[in-house]
Amino acid sequence: GAVVSQHPSWVICKSGTSVKIECRSLDFQATTMFWYRQFPKQSLMLMATSNEGSKATYEQGVEKDKFLINHASLTLSTLTVTSAHPEDSSFYICSARSGGTSLYEQYFGPGTRLTVT
Amino acid sequence: GQQVMQIPQYQHVQEGEDFTTYCNSSTTLSNIQWYKQRPGGHPVFLIQLVKSGEVKKQKRLTFQFGEAKKNSSLHITATQTTDVGTYFCAGKNGSGNTGKLIFGQGTTLQVKP
Repeated sequence: GAVVSQHPSWVICKSGTSVKIECRSLDFQATTMFWYRQFPKQSLMLMATSNEGSKATYEQGVEKDKFLINHASLTLSTLTVTSAHPEDSSFYICSARSGGTSLYEQYFGPGTRLTVT
Repeated sequence: GQQVMQIPQYQHVQEGEDFTTYCNSSTTLSNIQWYKQRPGGHPVFLIQLVKSGEVKKQKRLTFQFGEAKKNSSLHITATQTTDVGTYFCAGKNGSGNTGKLIFGQGTTLQVKP
């Protein structure tokens, strides 16, 4: 089946620093990648949708200058949390969708747990 | 904007009892997907329903999509401890390979052995 990886799986950083999270589709080409944020015991909240080679579309309330998304290739998207603050601590999950699949499934990565101290 | 509501938020059952979670959308959906997330894990795709009134089964799990394509349910027969986790429905309002998934709040299932 389709596999999506994320790196790192967890990261601790100091307030004010930036953190980059990578999302890779390992065995398929992802025309679209999605970034979600999940706070403890809550649902997944879509942050942004990125299509390869174009600018990401951010959901209402998500600061595009704070959460930089780059989808430079069909297998890689990155999310950079700039000037991180403790309230940015969360579980960040990416998912990837292939334009070729008939089911249009989204395959989720294992998530990255960010803790900002 | 589009909202997807899911109930109940939590459900505790005795092993062997049945379990159902319900999902309702404020708008008509092109399809609905169900995911399971184990504690500490990430969502894992279970199934997608596309057609009005569709019913699909996976062993002890039965998924239904309403006639109006605005609601769905997941029913587990004779729960087992391995069923523990949070079940999310996610509705999509775009056609084909477009649109975005909007997740419900999830139903967390606890099964007492």
